[in-house]
Amino acid sequence: DGGITQSPKYLFRKEGQNVTLSCEQNLNHDAMYWYRQDPGQGLRLIYYSQIVNDFQKGDIAEGYSVSREKKESFPLTVTSAQKNPTAFYLCASSIWPVRESYEQYFGPGTRLTVT
Amino acid sequence: AQRVTQPEKLLSVFKGAPVELKCNYSYSGSPELFWYVQYSRQRLQLLLRHISRESIKGFTADLNKGETSFHLKKPFAQEEDSAMYYCALAGGTSYGKLTFGQGTILTVHP
Repeated sequence: DGGITQSPKYLFRKEGQNVTLSCEQNLNHDAMYWYRQDPGQGLRLIYYSQIVNDFQKGDIAEGYSVSREKKESFPLTVTSAQKNPTAFYLCASSIWPVRESYEQYFGPGTRLTVT
Repeated sequence: AQRVTQPEKLLSVFKGAPVELKCNYSYSGSPELFWYVQYSRQRLQLLLRHISRESIKGFTADLNKGETSFHLKKPFAQEEDSAMYYCALAGGTSYGKLTFGQGTILTVHP
């Protein structure tokens, strides 16, 4: 089954703990993205990566970190510094160059709840 | 800064009625506009992009630079059109970055 997988589907953590969300793709896409989805706010870009070992901050990167050691994988760590981490997180990927990158393929999402 | 506004959080119509989902944007250059859709229990996916000037599932959207709008329209709504719709904008040096609106939940009643 090709596509983007995110695990787990639901994640619960205590406040003050770091947590890592997994995102894997087998589409051979160069670019990968992390979004946060909150009711009434749409999708907001956290981080994105155009190639392996390189990534850029999106609009709301504070309190998050990422790595891109492999083309297929782009894990997101929600750190204890993120003030409001409870949200639905979506991972996406696309081909490059730029114009084609606007068709992004999304994973099923991970719902993170921090209490 | 670029921004996308979808003024309606919820939109309800009856089957067979016309539907228009509004999208307004602010961007100083020449934007590229898109509509993404998320059906129930499915993933978010691209519906259409303005440069293609195509009709997908009966939906069309015209970029109006004067009014900075990219409204999504369908003359006769179907129940299977019920979904969350996001308008998105890309442009300039924000390579690979899409700016999404807040989303509109469309419900088509039988």
